[in-house]
Amino acid sequence: KQEVTQIPAALSVPEGENLVLNCSFTDSAIYNLQWFRQDPGKGLTSLLLIQSSQREQTSGRLNASLDKSSGRSTLYIAASQPGDSATYLCAPKPSGSARQLTFGSGTQLTVLP
Amino acid sequence: DAMVIQNPRYQVTQFGKPVTLSCSQTLNHNVMYWYQQKSSQAPKLLFHYYDKDFNNEADTPDNFQSRRPNTSFCFLDIRSPGLGDAAMYLCATSRDFGGREPQHFGDGTRLSIL
Repeated sequence: KQEVTQIPAALSVPEGENLVLNCSFTDSAIYNLQWFRQDPGKGLTSLLLIQSSQREQTSGRLNASLDKSSGRSTLYIAASQPGDSATYLCAPKPSGSARQLTFGSGTQLTVLP
Repeated sequence: DAMVIQNPRYQVTQFGKPVTLSCSQTLNHNVMYWYQQKSSQAPKLLFHYYDKDFNNEADTPDNFQSRRPNTSFCFLDIRSPGLGDAAMYLCATSRDFGGREPQHFGDGTRLSIL
């Protein structure tokens, strides 16, 4: 059974800093890995989807990397802004017959003005 | 424009009183999912539909049922809500199960039980 761990659970940084969020997973047999953002009381917004064959994926100030063999992914946020404050979740998608994403518990990010 | 729409955003019901949550999508996606998310926890998949094919997760309580009358709509029915069912319920869609397809989420319905 896939287990997903996100470290740290919470992070507080001053505005303008670059930061890295970490995601590790126990089963490397994955199709892809998706990073989401969740604002308080809201649903999930997809940020990046990185395929198992890819090493990284970029969107604006966000860069996600994937090292499938070691079961790790990172989300790099450049020049953080207060509007980036949210909970960030990673979710690897298993290959094979299993259909469900397995979510980590997330990293709660606060960017201080 | 919202592509996965959940109604209502907030739902209050009484202990044991049946409740139905609604999800609609404008993406024409084949797959629709229902997740339960309790406070500070990861979303947990309850079940999903691929078209009309229903798939229940092994640990989803019998109290939870779902209906998908057409491609656009999917409902979550809780037959006799208990206090432990208070949570955020998230609906998501994907075009299919392929590896290139992200899941798109609605804003959720927060369910409270009195």
